[in-house]
Amino acid sequence: AQSVAQPEDQVNVAEGNPLTVKCTYSVSGNPYLFWYVQYPNRGLQFLLKYITGDNLVKGSYGFEAEFNKSQTSFHLKKPSALVSDSALYFCAVRDMRSSASKIIFGSGTRLSIRP
Amino acid sequence: EPEVTQTPSHQVTQMGQEVILRCVPISNHLYFYWYRQILGQKVEFLVSFYNNEISEKSEIFDDQFSVERPDGSNFTLKIRSTKLEDSAMYFCASTRDRVSYEQYFGPGTRLTVT
Repeated sequence: AQSVAQPEDQVNVAEGNPLTVKCTYSVSGNPYLFWYVQYPNRGLQFLLKYITGDNLVKGSYGFEAEFNKSQTSFHLKKPSALVSDSALYFCAVRDMRSSASKIIFGSGTRLSIRP
Repeated sequence: EPEVTQTPSHQVTQMGQEVILRCVPISNHLYFYWYRQILGQKVEFLVSFYNNEISEKSEIFDDQFSVERPDGSNFTLKIRSTKLEDSAMYFCASTRDRVSYEQYFGPGTRLTVT
């Protein structure tokens, strides 16, 4: 089955420090991977995606993610965290077996950046 | 930048009542979706819609649910007889291409069934 796992419910980082939000995936075939962010009382905002090409993908708000095929991981990273990065982050994979390529979300990781 | 819009932002209804959640997808998009997120849980796929018909639905999407694109711009989700467990945030999404492009999500409608 197509799935993604986010092993951490919460990640706490001091402002200015690098951050990593972990994600591993399990898919048959080539993975189409995404990161979305959800701010309080807001919808899901697209951050970045990996379809093919460079393993390091750059996205919005200074975030990037590294695709690692051997470790089946797609960790989200940022070199220097901001308090405004505090939000709920979802890793997701496109279900290519699905006729409509629905998205399967991970359980989410709450990122908390302390000043 | 074009965006997906949803109305209302919050809907409170009594158990057994019908509700219609409305969405306006991005205008050149072809694939439309509804997802829901029960408080504290992950986002779950409900249904997808393409070429004026349902292309896929989850086991959650039972006979109480229906979708419609009545006028070429709106995309609606109807729940005929709401249950307490239907309380959730409902997200509409759209995409231009089901393979290469990301899905764009609306801000959501919070449905509260009392």
